Amino acid sequence: DAKTTQPPSMDCAEGRAANLPCNHSTISGNEYVYWYRQIHSQGPQYIIHGLKNNETNEMASLIITEDRKSSTLILPHATLRDTAVYYCIVRVTSGSRLTFGEGTQLTVNP
Amino acid sequence: DTGVSQDPRHKITKRGQNVTFRCDPISEHNRLYWYRQTLGQGPEFLTYFQNEAQLEKSRLLSDRFSAERPKGSFSTLEIQRTEQGDSAMYLCASSLTSGGHTGELFFGEGSRLTVL
Repeated sequence: DAKTTQPPSMDCAEGRAANLPCNHSTISGNEYVYWYRQIHSQGPQYIIHGLKNNETNEMASLIITEDRKSSTLILPHATLRDTAVYYCIVRVTSGSRLTFGEGTQLTVNP
Repeated sequence: DTGVSQDPRHKITKRGQNVTFRCDPISEHNRLYWYRQTLGQGPEFLTYFQNEAQLEKSRLLSDRFSAERPKGSFSTLEIQRTEQGDSAMYLCASSLTSGGHTGELFFGEGSRLTVL
């Protein structure tokens, strides 16, 4: 699985959009970009994934650059409950495990 | 609740003792994973099962660790002769794989082990 690079921490004001970047410059053509988050003392939770088109669901939007070397997870209206560690992971859909990095600690401030 | 459940949620043991954790996956999920997470780090893969077959084991899974999924449903992770370095959160996840595609992983709340 390709390696990803994320900033260790970010802050966001409650109600504003949180934009979490991820670099994955060695991504292969058949690898998807996945995002998970982990709220303190809980197991990781799936957020969204995509291949090359932008994706949106009830939790977030995923913007993938045309060259697929980077992506951005967008939480459109961050709430205090969105404070968590966010992990960007790349893998093939037929792959087995997820390989987690250290993620980005997002802190949403009131 | 039909999510992944883990038991016990917390375990405190003395060095040298054996401990066993249980994971009950989402019922129709054929894959089951074990991860370990220490403070400030992302989860680290330990092993995974497809049905009852253990298909991959990480080098992190020393000889003191053994995992089973005897009937392709629940799984157990046993740690023998625990060491203080085994103190961590042990996470279980499950997923449904069909048509060559692996769906998203659903994680349990984890079992926190403290070795004194």
